[in-house]
Amino acid sequence: EAGVTQFPSHSVIEKGQTVTLRCDPISGHDNLYWYRRVMGKEIKFLLHFVKESKQDESGMPNNRFLAERTGGTYSTLKVQPAELEDSGVYFCASSPLKGRLYFGPGTRLTVT
Amino acid sequence: SQELEQSPQSLIVQEGKNLTINCTSSKTLYGLYWYKQKYGEGLIFLMMLQKGGEEKSHEKITAKLDEKKQQSSLHITASQPSHAGIYLCGAPPPGFGNEKLTFGTGTRLTIIP
Repeated sequence: EAGVTQFPSHSVIEKGQTVTLRCDPISGHDNLYWYRRVMGKEIKFLLHFVKESKQDESGMPNNRFLAERTGGTYSTLKVQPAELEDSGVYFCASSPLKGRLYFGPGTRLTVT
Repeated sequence: SQELEQSPQSLIVQEGKNLTINCTSSKTLYGLYWYKQKYGEGLIFLMMLQKGGEEKSHEKITAKLDEKKQQSSLHITASQPSHAGIYLCGAPPPGFGNEKLTFGTGTRLTIIP
């Protein structure tokens, strides 16, 4: 069984640019989560999809962040425009309706 | 909001020694996950504890959940280099099944050969 995959593994962009992160959950997992860890801080919840619907986006820091999950399969997280404080590791995780989280390897975002 | 404090923040242990990592919650725990992370990799699931007093083991790692103390501990017996990494505890909200986890800051474990 393939695990959760994320692309790219590392992205370096300049302040003001746009970056799109992609997550492919485990096939059949309806739940998809985005988390992020900024330097020196704990991993924080960003948002939760159930299929294609946003169940909870209370952790999204501001309106520069836009997440989508078209067709209830893969998800994208767009940051536009990126700021220095957006640097960190962005994790995607998926789970079946009742079950534990399976995390992807993360995307390391560096904004310069 | 719930906060999870892990102790110690960093741990250096000689190979073969035992060690314990603690995770203390500011609020009642309705369950607890333990994950391990290595650089460049995602979070590797270790164990999930759901009931007060529950204890689970996998290979040389044992975790306990003490709801009365709002605490969980992770114990590694006869540590090996493969145990090195960052250990993270994560707590779900009430109504287990919603994996909007609150994470601790992590414990960085280094094993000296």
